[in-house]
Amino acid sequence: AQRVTQPEKLLSVFKGAPVELKCNYSYSGSPELFWYVQYSRQRLQLLLRHISRESIKGFTADLNKGETSFHLKKPFAQEEDSAMYYCALKKDDKIIFGKGTRLHILP
Amino acid sequence: KAGVTQTPRYLIKTRGQQVTLSCSPISGHRSVSWYQQTPGQGLQFLFEYFSETQRNKGNFPGRFSGRQFSNSRSEMNVSTLELGDSALYLCASSFTGEGNTIYFGEGSWLTVV
Repeated sequence: AQRVTQPEKLLSVFKGAPVELKCNYSYSGSPELFWYVQYSRQRLQLLLRHISRESIKGFTADLNKGETSFHLKKPFAQEEDSAMYYCALKKDDKIIFGKGTRLHILP
Repeated sequence: KAGVTQTPRYLIKTRGQQVTLSCSPISGHRSVSWYQQTPGQGLQFLFEYFSETQRNKGNFPGRFSGRQFSNSRSEMNVSTLELGDSALYLCASSFTGEGNTIYFGEGSWLTVV
């Protein structure tokens, strides 16, 4: 069965330190993976998708098929990065979300 | 252009009642999907509609149903409400669903007492 696992419920990082939010998936095919972010009092929004290989707000994520991972990284955390982050996998026309990691940036 | 709009934003129902939630997608979007968000289970897919047809369905009981109208607006209904149905119900829309970015609404907060 398709599954997305985010092992950390909460991650606290000091401002300026590197960030890595972990995501592992199980999928028997070529996955389409995403990271979504929900800032306080805002709606859920797409942060980035693996097929774009882009960097958004300094975040990048590389798909590692060997390790079935799609970790989200940023070299230097900023206070405005504090939010809830969801890793997601697209299967057919539905999106399977991980349970999310709350990123808390410490001043 | 207006985003995905969900109504009502907040509602309280009692066990056994039924509820209907509404979603207006972004203009031009034809795919509408629904998700349930709870602290314990996170975001779970309910169903997805495209051109008035349900294309995908998650693992929820038959008490959860939905439909889509010709103008792409969608409703979801939950009958015989249970306490465990208390959640944030999110609607999302995209142009076709396939490969297109989906945009979420702010959600409808349902509390069952």
